[in-house]
Amino acid sequence: TQLLEQSPQFLSIQEGENLTVYCNSSSVFSSLQWYRQEPGEGPVLLVTVVTGGEVKKLKRLTFQFGDARKDSSLHITAAQPGDTGLYLCAGANTGNQFYFGTGTSLTVIP
Amino acid sequence: DAEITQSPRHKITETGRQVTLACHQTWNHNNMFWYRQDLGHGLRLIHYSYGVQDTNKGEVSDGYSVSRSNTEDLPLTLESAASSQTSVYFCASSESPGTSGRNEQFFGPGTRLTVL
Repeated sequence: TQLLEQSPQFLSIQEGENLTVYCNSSSVFSSLQWYRQEPGEGPVLLVTVVTGGEVKKLKRLTFQFGDARKDSSLHITAAQPGDTGLYLCAGANTGNQFYFGTGTSLTVIP
Repeated sequence: DAEITQSPRHKITETGRQVTLACHQTWNHNNMFWYRQDLGHGLRLIHYSYGVQDTNKGEVSDGYSVSRSNTEDLPLTLESAASSQTSVYFCASSESPGTSGRNEQFFGPGTRLTVL
């Protein structure tokens, strides 16, 4: 059962553009994580959000957790080629279970 | 620095053979997980463990087994490898969230398995 839907699945943009990736669910999570994965490597944790409505910034990346803790978004400002990769969201429940979205493959063209 | 390692990084085997993939973490985490990643399916949970001697089946556990004899290791065994098990396998670990609510997984670099 796929509990988390990510959109878009694929995104190709020019360097300098802004973009937003969405992660939606009908389930409530105790926390939500965003990961970035590069080819041939494992996912690397970018951020964890815990509180409904929480906003976290990591340089040019802004993460938001929905008020109801069912959805999240990742906004990248002025994308750079180094941002290229697969972005995964994952929701965690209080039972230590993690549910991953199918991912958004981002390509930033120089 | 604490880390999580997997071995081998690449493995080619034949249908019907038993294969074991190793996962070792030095985070001292109680929770460990095995996933497979395939195009169009994202990360799918195979097995997980919440501590020594504890193992649980995930979404796609058929044909796989794990054992947890210590905190650091969770080896994944394919009893009789099948071509459908060709995939990239990731091990991950996490600590229980406690009162903070933060629940974060840390991943190994992956093992690419090909079953011919």
